[in-house]
Amino acid sequence: QKEVEQDPGPLSVPEGAIVSLNCTYSNSAFQYFMWYRQYSRKGPELLMYTYSSGNKEDGRFTAQVDKSSKYISLFIRDSQPSDSATYLCAMNPFGNEKLTFGTGTRLTIIP
Amino acid sequence: NAGVMQNPRHLVRRRGQEARLRCSPMKGHSHVYWYRQLPEEGLKFMVYLQKENIIDESGMPKERFSAEFPKEGPSILRIQQVVRGDSAAYFCASSLTGVSSNQPQHFGDGTRLSIL
Repeated sequence: QKEVEQDPGPLSVPEGAIVSLNCTYSNSAFQYFMWYRQYSRKGPELLMYTYSSGNKEDGRFTAQVDKSSKYISLFIRDSQPSDSATYLCAMNPFGNEKLTFGTGTRLTIIP
Repeated sequence: NAGVMQNPRHLVRRRGQEARLRCSPMKGHSHVYWYRQLPEEGLKFMVYLQKENIIDESGMPKERFSAEFPKEGPSILRIQQVVRGDSAAYFCASSLTGVSSNQPQHFGDGTRLSIL
């Protein structure tokens, strides 16, 4: 079993819809949780960075962490065609710099 | 403010040759990380370095792979005697003071290594 599970998709939604992306994990030591966006042939771009449980909002993006369920989510409101990319979740324990990534969810926003 | 710079963007090598991948971290960042991404797989941690020190190399293959981050100049990931299975995208990331200090890792656009 992988430490971090992420549905690879692909996921296609119409423009303007709310997108929900999720990851589950098995290591209860994970404390820091990140979402990255990766366009084709480019590097991962940091979208959201959260510590421990709770919600964090930044513009159209909301990240949620539920440590009791070992479940994290990224919501994208008013989705745009430019949001079409692969979304990667990543996490690490306190004191350990090694990030463990999900395999990524490929998202397409249909105009 | 330049981001993490990696070069070359594409590198082609024949089996048995050496590959050298370079990474210049963001200005002021002293923590550097290397990850490898195989097709249809997530990024896998390889090594974590600070200036002149290897902090964690738990993800590095035991043979043929080495990394350094000298006092001056970029970080280098070196792969000796490359084999077909080394074909992948190699990403470098940097952080100001480390993730555990609430400073996330920022990634470059990677080097795509192809082995003929």
